[in-house]
Amino acid sequence: DVKVTQSSRYLVKRTGEKVFLECVQDMDHENMFWYRQDPGLGLRLIYFSYDVKMKEKGDIPEGYSVSREKKERFSLILESASTNQTSMYLCASSLRQGYGYTFGSGTRLTVV
Amino acid sequence: KNEVEQSPQNLTAQEGEFITINCSYSVGISALHWLQQHPGGGIVSLFMLSSGKKKHGRLIATINIQEKHSSLHITASHPRDSAVYICAVPALTSGSRLTFGEGTQLTVNP
Repeated sequence: DVKVTQSSRYLVKRTGEKVFLECVQDMDHENMFWYRQDPGLGLRLIYFSYDVKMKEKGDIPEGYSVSREKKERFSLILESASTNQTSMYLCASSLRQGYGYTFGSGTRLTVV
Repeated sequence: KNEVEQSPQNLTAQEGEFITINCSYSVGISALHWLQQHPGGGIVSLFMLSSGKKKHGRLIATINIQEKHSSLHITASHPRDSAVYICAVPALTSGSRLTFGEGTQLTVNP
């Protein structure tokens, strides 16, 4: 089975800190995604990547950046964390367009 | 944008009941996904289907492409089925992206 591993389940950071959320998949998937999930707003796409060093903005990219230097790893970066970035962050991957998705377990980030 | 609507938003059932969750979308698609999210956050992909019906254990997913509608059925429901069920379709802007429904919170009481 494909595994998508997120580095932390729970994270508490201070306002203004630079935060790195890491995601690793082990089955050579082309596409990787970062979502955030908030009550009443559902899943919203932050960024996705369809190849190494390639990225596209999702619906809510402001305040975030991403890095994909290797195919298996997709990092989400909060340049200067703010309290409104407190949320559940979910990483996902898919082999390519038209294939199923595999999600990570999520990282619950609290910014204080 | 492909609009995705799920119903009901919340569903409470007694153990053993047959459950149906519905999903409608506005624009034709190649495939539809059903996802399950338990408390604690992790999401599991249940089905990806483009036509007809798929079955896995007590879960059955159907899709009617002409009517742009899909249903997820749970037979002989059990408290461990309590979760949020989400349907998703490829976004119009990029088929690699998904557009998600708001989710259906299912609670199955013993």
